[in-house]
Order: sequence, then structure tokens, then C-alpha cells
Amino acid sequence: GDSVTQMEGPVTLSEEAFLTINCTYTATGYPSLFWYVQYPGEGLQLLLKATKADDKGSNKGFEATYRKETTSFHLEKGSVQVSDSAVYFCVLSLNTGKLIFGQGTTLQVKP
Amino acid sequence: DAGVIQSPRHEVTEMGQEVTLRCKPISGHNSLFWYRQTMMRGLELLIYFNNNVPIDDSGMPEDRFSAKMPNASFSTLKIQPSEPRDSAVYFCASSLLAGGSGANVLTFGAGSRLTVL
Repeated sequence: GDSVTQMEGPVTLSEEAFLTINCTYTATGYPSLFWYVQYPGEGLQLLLKATKADDKGSNKGFEATYRKETTSFHLEKGSVQVSDSAVYFCVLSLNTGKLIFGQGTTLQVKP
Repeated sequence: DAGVIQSPRHEVTEMGQEVTLRCKPISGHNSLFWYRQTMMRGLELLIYFNNNVPIDDSGMPEDRFSAKMPNASFSTLKIQPSEPRDSAVYFCASSLLAGGSGANVLTFGAGSRLTVL
């Protein structure tokens, strides 16, 4: 069935380090892919999205490319900041509108 | 737009009491979702509405939970009677879901943190 698998956390990095959070998916049809971020004490908010293969979503220095051949949508940032500490969710949006959330990856950035 | 508005932000109640959580979606959105988040189970979809009609309530834990959407600008999630295992953060989210489109972008509220003693 349709599913999303993202790397387990927590991920702990020093400020200015390079970030990769892996996400792979299984889906039929042509889904859209999202990354949502949840800062402490807040709701989830859309970070970036890609709606078709080879699309690159980007926002706030974060990027992710929709790779159909490897069924992946890995999140990357070249230089993380303490303020990026949050939980990151990879999300699959099926053609029906149904959303499938990954389990979330906690990122902690230390000064 | 002020975004998705949820109330109360925090609720502490005793086992057996009725709890009502409220949500005002973004104006113009046609879909509304209720999620529950806990450390143990992560984020769970409880129910979602499209054009005020419940479409999928398979995630509602049991008969103690009920949700209504009497109009496009208001929804409630009720737990009666409440139990300690219902303690969680409950999120409401809304979206504009176009027919046949896969890009269902949700806007979440800030959540209602429920503690049942």
C-alpha cells in the first residue's frame, strides 16, 4: 500500500552543519510530496512541496527534489541554524487528496 | 486571514468529564481535518470533512469521540466521557481540495493540548 518512510531521529547537528533527512515513499499514480515542519509548541506548517517528478521544492534554505526513479524526497540544507530545531514530517499526497504522514524526524541544532 | 483557529489552547479536566474542542477553518477552504498527536502514536487522522460532510471517520477511536461541522466556518470534536488515555494534542487543519488534484496542502491550527487526570 501507499506509505512514507523517513529516517529515525533525533538528528543532532552543530550550527552551520549540512543537513540531510531521508524520505522514501511507496505510492501508485502520481502523488505530490511535501515537507512540513513543527516548531516546539506549534502546529505543523508547510515547508516546501513538489507536485511532479524532478520538481525541486525550496524554502528558507531547505531543498528537496522529487525523484521518481528512487522514490525519494530527501530534505537538505547547506547550513543549519539553532532556529531550525524542530520536527520535520515527510508527507505523501495522493491523487484522492488523502495524505500520508511519515513518523517525523526531530532535529536538534546546537550552537 | 488569521489562519486556522482552535480553542481552547489548553484544557485540563478530570476523567469522566465531557470535553469539547473547537475549530474555525480558513475562510474559503472546503475540507477540514482533525488529528491527534501523542509521543507514542505520533500524528493520527481522526476524521475529515469535505463541504461540511464527514468523509472518513475511520480514525475515530471509539464511540466516546464525535465530531460535527454544522457550517463551513465551524467544527467541534467532542469526547464524552473523557479518559486519561485521551490526553494528547488535538490539531485541526483545513484545505482547499480541488477535485482530482493530489496537492492537498493543509494549514494547521496551533492545537489544543488536552490533559485528562
